[in-house]
Amino acid sequence: GNSVTQMEGPVTLSEEAFLTINCTYTATGYPSLFWYVQYPGEGLQLLLKATKADDKGSNKGFEATYRKETTSFHLEKGSVQVSDSAVYFCALSSITGNQFYFGTGTSLTVIP
Amino acid sequence: EAGVAQSPRYKIIEKRQSVAFWCNPISGHATLYWYQQILGQGPKLLIQFQNNGVVDDSQLPKDRFSAERLKGVDSTLKIQPAKLEDSAVYLCASSLQGLQETQYFGPGTRLLVL
Repeated sequence: GNSVTQMEGPVTLSEEAFLTINCTYTATGYPSLFWYVQYPGEGLQLLLKATKADDKGSNKGFEATYRKETTSFHLEKGSVQVSDSAVYFCALSSITGNQFYFGTGTSLTVIP
Repeated sequence: EAGVAQSPRYKIIEKRQSVAFWCNPISGHATLYWYQQILGQGPKLLIQFQNNGVVDDSQLPKDRFSAERLKGVDSTLKIQPAKLEDSAVYLCASSLQGLQETQYFGPGTRLLVL
């Protein structure tokens, strides 16, 4: 079946540190992959996505590359800010387009 | 552009009671989703509507949960009777067409079943 496994948190980083949040997936075929983010007090929102192997999604300084060979979609940012403190969810859409699977979420806190 | 609206924001009920949640998607969005998010877990897709038809409801516990989207716009999700394990945040989302596109989420309804 389809599933998403992401790195457990919480993660605490100092401002300007490098961020990696690991995400691996199990799926039939080649699903679309997503990172959603939930800032404190706000609803879930799309951060970035990739729809095929080797695609790189990017937004707000965050990047993730769809790696078919390692079934991964790790989220990275070169220099985090306090405003990046949030819960990050890795997710996939099944190739049939009928199901969507979220990981358990990784809480990130960035301290000044 | 107005976002996805949900009500109520919070609800406390006793087990075996019934409860209903309402969602109004972004105008023009054909697809609407209901998710259940239990504390400490990622959201779980319960049901997906395309206009007023059900695309997938394989994860919906149909013995107690029901949902409808009359007229292809707003939607209600009902639980009857509620169990303790139904305590969760119920999220509604919408997209233009299907799960490959960006989903826009509402603020959610936090349900506590005592």
